[in-house]
Parts: sequence; structure tokens; C-alpha cells
Amino acid sequence: EVQLVESGGGLVQPGGSLRLSCAASGFTFSTYAMSWVRQAPGKGLEWVSSFSGSGGSPSYADSVKGRFTISRDNSKNTLYLQMNSLTAEDTAVYFCARAPGQHLGDLSFFHYWGQGTLVTVSS
Amino acid sequence: QSVLTQPPSVSGAPGQRVTISCTGSSSNIGAGHDVHWYQQLPGTAPKLLIYGDSNRPSGVPDRFSGSKSGTSASLAITGLQAEDEAEYYCQSYDSSLSGYVFGTGTKVTVL
Repeated sequence: EVQLVESGGGLVQPGGSLRLSCAASGFTFSTYAMSWVRQAPGKGLEWVSSFSGSGGSPSYADSVKGRFTISRDNSKNTLYLQMNSLTAEDTAVYFCARAPGQHLGDLSFFHYWGQGTLVTVSS
Repeated sequence: QSVLTQPPSVSGAPGQRVTISCTGSSSNIGAGHDVHWYQQLPGTAPKLLIYGDSNRPSGVPDRFSGSKSGTSASLAITGLQAEDEAEYYCQSYDSSLSGYVFGTGTKVTVL
């Protein structure tokens, strides 16, 4: 059974940093592209960032480019999201999601989702 | 703001058929990029409902169906059930943004 468990969320002050983790199990982590998707309170879904299964360059939404960094440790079956220069607009539940295959592209979608971790940016 | 537009809400009585539209543009749906649909029950994570315009993952009832034409896509729910009450989102890829985009979301209410 595919399982994705996010952690690392919490309360952070504006301008601060936070690192999210997503522990994966039930599948061969290195052979799947992974993504982060967020949802602000009472709002819709917003794609944040994606990383292919092996090699390749990560991709980011314009709203987080230059501030967020996605990475993965295939030896630990874990996906990360380093978030810097946080603002109130980054307040959201952050979901980790698995793609249907190793590569990203225009056909890709979010096959399996974790339960999310809440990030609150406030002073 | 979302690139794909959905109606804020749709409703129907049990057993009825409802449809949810997802309107995009020439850089996403109109460019031929696949459309996918997700169901989000209150307080839970989204769940994949339809992928590749009209394909259902294993375990999704055949009451759910998807279609696409031009710059728009649709999700249909036939034989509406109380358990279908949820938020539904469409998703595609946008060539201009070089990223994935979601619809604005539609709340389905079972009367």
C-alpha cells in the first residue's frame, strides 16, 4: 500500500524558514516523480514543485521560485521542501503527492496523496 | 489565481446526474494537455478520480466519467449519492506557465 506521511509543519514568523519532509513507503521511491501541492485555508489547490524520479531538474511554481527548494533522498525514501523567506501567503496545508511514473511532463498527474502538514506564517 | 475555471457549486437529488465544467485556454486544455480530476472530501486529502481525460483508477465507481473538447473538460456524476458530497478539482498542464494548474474547485451538494 502506498503511504506518504508529511511532517515538519508548524508556526513560523514572516521571513523565517521551514523544512518539510515526506516519508514514502509501499513503492520503489526512486522510480517515481514526486511533488508538493498546497492548499491555503478555505482555498483551492496550488501546485508548488515537482522532482522527477532520478536525475532531471526540479520545477517550481512562479509563486515560490527562488524561495523554495525541493529535494529527495532516495536512500531514505524521503522528499523534502525547504522553504525560505516565508510570507503570510505561504500559509497552507502542504501535501506530498506521487506521480504515476518516473518522469514529469504534460501528461503527469498526482496519483497518491499524503494527509498534509499545516504551515502557518504569522507573527 | 487559478488558470482553470469551474462553477463554484452544483447540486442534485440522489440518483440524479450532475456535470462539472472546467474551462481553460489554448495553453493548457486547448493545447491538448490531459485533464485529471480529484475529489476532496471535507477535512481529507484529495483523491484521484479521473486521469488522462476519461480514465478511472482502480476502485473508482463507473458513475464518474470525464470528457474533453476544445478548451474545456467535464466531469459527470450519474446516480448521485450522499457520499459524493465533496469538492471536485480539475487539473492540467500549462505550457505558458511550464507547470501544473488546478481548477477553482466545485462543491457538489446532494439535496
